[in-house]
Amino acid sequence: SQTIHQWPATLVQPVGSPLSLECTVEGTSNPNLYWYRQAAGRGLQLLFYSVGIGQISSEVPQNLSASRPQDRQFILSSKKLLLSDSGFYLCAWSVQGQTQYFGPGTRLLVL
Amino acid sequence: LAKTTQPISMDSYEGQEVNITCSHNNIATNDYITWYQQFPSQGPRFIIQGYKTKVTNEVASLFIPADRKSSTLSLPRVSLSDTAVYYCLVGGSSYNTDKLIFGTGTRLQVFP
Repeated sequence: SQTIHQWPATLVQPVGSPLSLECTVEGTSNPNLYWYRQAAGRGLQLLFYSVGIGQISSEVPQNLSASRPQDRQFILSSKKLLLSDSGFYLCAWSVQGQTQYFGPGTRLLVL
Repeated sequence: LAKTTQPISMDSYEGQEVNITCSHNNIATNDYITWYQQFPSQGPRFIIQGYKTKVTNEVASLFIPADRKSSTLSLPRVSLSDTAVYYCLVGGSSYNTDKLIFGTGTRLQVFP
């Protein structure tokens, strides 16, 4: 069966520090991968999606970036965090055109 | 991408049937309708997906009228553990860009 992992589960970072969140998927090949952000009490905002290694599409301009160095690995990064980057970050995977399955999420607090 | 509209919140009591309706007037021909459940500090969990008519699984039923401009998620005999936010989404029809747009969802509160 397929599983999706995210780490860390919780992260507290100072403003201006770098960020690296990792997502890995097991049990499937060539999945579509997604990064979402959810502000408190709000819906999910799609940040990036990837249909293959090295292929990244950005949905929202921001100081975040994403990379996909391996088929089942998706990384969300920032060189300098802003206060507004705080939130709940979710990774998801899907087989093209099918249901998306979400990871457990990473709660980021930027102070 | 089709936008969805659903009630912000709903209240219910244990043992009752809950129906959450979602409007999606601009749904595309190939779009699917998908519902997710989300508990605090957890990722959304897939509940059910359908294209037309009625779909039923062990958790819920999804009713979709012929014009597909709306859908209704039906939760039979809810319990306290069904208290969560429920999201209705349409999409998933495109091979490479199955992006889903999440709205604010419906916050269901189940009381004892």
